Amino acid sequence: IAGITQAPTSQILAAGRRMTLRCTQDMRHNAMYWYRQDLGLGLRLIHYSNTAGTTGKGEVPDGYSVSRANTDDFPLTLASAVPSQTSVYFCASSAGTAAKNIQYFGAGTRLSVL
Amino acid sequence: AQKVTQAQTEISVVEKEDVTLDCVYETRDTTYYLFWYKQPPSGELVFLIRRNSFDEQNEISGRYSWNFQKSTSSFNFTITASQVVDSAVYFCALSEQGRAGANNLFFGTGTRLTVIP
Repeated sequence: IAGITQAPTSQILAAGRRMTLRCTQDMRHNAMYWYRQDLGLGLRLIHYSNTAGTTGKGEVPDGYSVSRANTDDFPLTLASAVPSQTSVYFCASSAGTAAKNIQYFGAGTRLSVL
Repeated sequence: AQKVTQAQTEISVVEKEDVTLDCVYETRDTTYYLFWYKQPPSGELVFLIRRNSFDEQNEISGRYSWNFQKSTSSFNFTITASQVVDSAVYFCALSEQGRAGANNLFFGTGTRLTVIP
């Protein structure tokens, strides 16, 4: 089934450790996104990529970095994890960058930083 | 300021009852899009509907219906004859055409619906 694959499904991480969350899509979508979901706050955009080779900052980018070496993959890296980064992380993609484009989401990665 | 407000944090209904989930949005753009997503207990986000700012026609899809009213900046979602499988967290979201950079979806905080058998 076509869609977005995120890995790992869940992870417990010690503070200060480096972690990369993986995201792969097979829909050949141009745009990809990383959101974090926190209780009472909904989902908030961390970083985005409108096309391969470009990235941009969202609402809450601090402490995170991304890369987009090709169309399919959009990894999210926490260089030195802190407890406030405990959250559920969702990767999404859309065919284009216009506001009308529907974003399709992966199943999420539940991350706990201790 | 919150662009999307879902004032109902949690709702419980008995199976077969109708239920309406409220969504109020705020934007200065004349062209924008509104979305509803469902997040079942398994955790994934499932797209339900998209509506653009120029189309105020209500939409019905099976037991689901959506009422879009620009005059009150609302995009409410009604489930008729609710079923246990409707139990989930429902998110309303907004994207703005005039926004540079990312096609950022602004999400509400979600409404958790529990349908009691």
